[in-house]
Amino acid sequence: SSELTQDPAVSVALGQTVRITCQGDSFRGNSASWYQQKPGQAPLLVVYGANSRPSGIPDRFFGSDSGNTASLTITGAQVDDEADYYCGFRDRSGNHWVFGGGTKVTVL
Amino acid sequence: EGLLVQSGGGSVQPGGSLRLSCAASGLDFGSYWMHWVRQAPGKGLLWVSRITGDGGGTTYVDSVKGRFTVFRDNARNTLHLQMTSLRAEDTAIYFCATERYFGPGNFGLDYWGQGTPVTVSS
Repeated sequence: SSELTQDPAVSVALGQTVRITCQGDSFRGNSASWYQQKPGQAPLLVVYGANSRPSGIPDRFFGSDSGNTASLTITGAQVDDEADYYCGFRDRSGNHWVFGGGTKVTVL
Repeated sequence: EGLLVQSGGGSVQPGGSLRLSCAASGLDFGSYWMHWVRQAPGKGLLWVSRITGDGGGTTYVDSVKGRFTVFRDNARNTLHLQMTSLRAEDTAIYFCATERYFGPGNFGLDYWGQGTPVTVSS
């Protein structure tokens, strides 16, 4: 079982805000990263660090860390944001990565 | 812009072997730690293995230790995963990915291959 716990599914009305959380005791010095995965596609890094985005990722995606909980917030959710979202964490030794179980986001 | 193109995989009987490959272009391949991540049908992501940039350091998830071997050819910008003694539970889409260091405590898997399916069935 995953060491990082995510809610299995969440829904959000078009244009509204949704927050996805990732809980675990694995946050020992490293920040979580977040990945978007659409059906049949590879994961896409959308947030890394406390709140940084790779080039090309819309600024409606932002992340935060607090204690043993990392969060990904999508503000002004769009239909294109419908996907599975995974948190990921590199352990402090760099020897392993762990992913949360994933959250399916549905935009209504 | 980096690109990872995967090959290999397919169907094999339990106990069989397969080799996956991941060819990199548009990036300084030898400077990246590389990872394999898999996804069983209808399931989430599972980290499988990591190799350092020079190939000298490898780690694995417990379930594949002793059966999978990750290695790389930096001269050919290629990553490999040799899988032996395959089991039904190894059935998954396998992805390769680069690990990027963004700053103290900040890491991400930023380039991903397209994924290659592996099916282990009799």
